[in-house]
Amino acid sequence: ILNVEQSPQSLHVQEGDSTNFTCSFPSSNFYALHWYRWETAKSPEALFVMTLNGDEKKKGRISATLNTKEGYSYLYIKGSQPEDSATYLCASVPQGGSEKLVFGKGTKLTVNP
Amino acid sequence: NAGVTQTPKFQVLKTGQSMTLQCAQDMNHEYMSWYRQDPGMGLRLIHYSVGAGITDQGEVPNGYNVSRSTTEDFPLRLLSAAPSQTSVYFCASSLQGPSYNEQFFGPGTRLTVL
Repeated sequence: ILNVEQSPQSLHVQEGDSTNFTCSFPSSNFYALHWYRWETAKSPEALFVMTLNGDEKKKGRISATLNTKEGYSYLYIKGSQPEDSATYLCASVPQGGSEKLVFGKGTKLTVNP
Repeated sequence: NAGVTQTPKFQVLKTGQSMTLQCAQDMNHEYMSWYRQDPGMGLRLIHYSVGAGITDQGEVPNGYNVSRSTTEDFPLRLLSAAPSQTSVYFCASSLQGPSYNEQFFGPGTRLTVL
């Protein structure tokens, strides 16, 4: 089973700050990369699914980039708001489209007003 | 659409008891999966199905059985519950497999095994 690593484990920022976190995966064993947002007491909700090297996706103030050659993806949040407080999960599908999604442990973001 | 539904929301079992966690979706999704979420471990895949009649093992399948007799339903059976199976269980579905498709998650079932 491939290892999907996320850093940092947790992050505290002030309202209005921009922030970013990292998801790392084996570059030799990659097919697709997912990002999810998981609020406390709710279920994970999809943000992005990315497959192509150099891909960049955006949804409002949140964007993500993908580097499949070096095995990482960044998630950026511009002008953080308290409602952005959540755990952000990334997950990878190994090469060959194995139909198995392997999740990292997440980055817990707290945005202080 | 109700989306992905799971029952029960909470369950307490004694060691050795069996039970079935129910999962249903009304979005005509082919792909369904079960995860467990434990503190510090993230979501781990238990079993998945790419369509009715087809199931396969994930990362942590031991102690669990699944079947997929219809497109809509994907129940997870605990054959003989153990305290190590205390966890929060999430069911998820997508139109096709996760290679290109975002997953839709159910609300979760919190299971405690005494």
